Amino acid sequence: DSGVTQTPKHLITATGQRVTLRCSPRSGDLSVYWYQQSLDQGLQFLIQYYNGEERAKGNILERFSAQQFPDLHSELNLSSLELGDSALYFCASSETTGTGVEQYFGPGTRLTVT
Amino acid sequence: GENVEQHPSTLSVQEGDSAVIKCTYSDSASNYFPWYKQELGKRPQLIIDIRSNVGEKKDQRIAVTLNKTAKHFSLHITETQPEDSAVYFCASSYSGGYNKLIFGAGTRLAVHP
Repeated sequence: DSGVTQTPKHLITATGQRVTLRCSPRSGDLSVYWYQQSLDQGLQFLIQYYNGEERAKGNILERFSAQQFPDLHSELNLSSLELGDSALYFCASSETTGTGVEQYFGPGTRLTVT
Repeated sequence: GENVEQHPSTLSVQEGDSAVIKCTYSDSASNYFPWYKQELGKRPQLIIDIRSNVGEKKDQRIAVTLNKTAKHFSLHITETQPEDSAVYFCASSYSGGYNKLIFGAGTRLAVHP
């Protein structure tokens, strides 16, 4: 157990819908990262927050957005869902944003869009 | 932009043999190179990492080497065991990149008894 929690574990929804994925970082970690893992694909960096502020952005679609709240939990919002958005979404956390600070991954949320 | 290429995509070895996975990165500013192991349906877990000021690092049966000039880094697993079977991902990050990780496409390692 990494100490990072993600809910829900599984999510099945229809095209065009909107969903929210939730992540709680390890106690004391200020930085949260979101990654997308499509079927048979590697992990793609989406976005990162540090202490409530966005710090880095990857290839995140405009239909996706995220935020980090004062209690440091983060939410990833996916809207106008398409079949291709079906994937495993991981959240990771680390103490700081310094290069080489270990990231601890949560168990992931498996999103299925039908 | 940053890119990490990983080879091979699949690797099959006999128990007790060695396994080598290679990665190449594009951004010369990259200075941190972790390796993650992901078992089926599980989260990625860090197994070893190396920083740009080090050429080699070992941890029991696992070692990582880095060639900064060639922008290559490799994972070496010796005396493989069936429980080593998993998907392995290399990654890189760079100073000023806020620790975001750019991952390779992964290598599916199968260790046969």
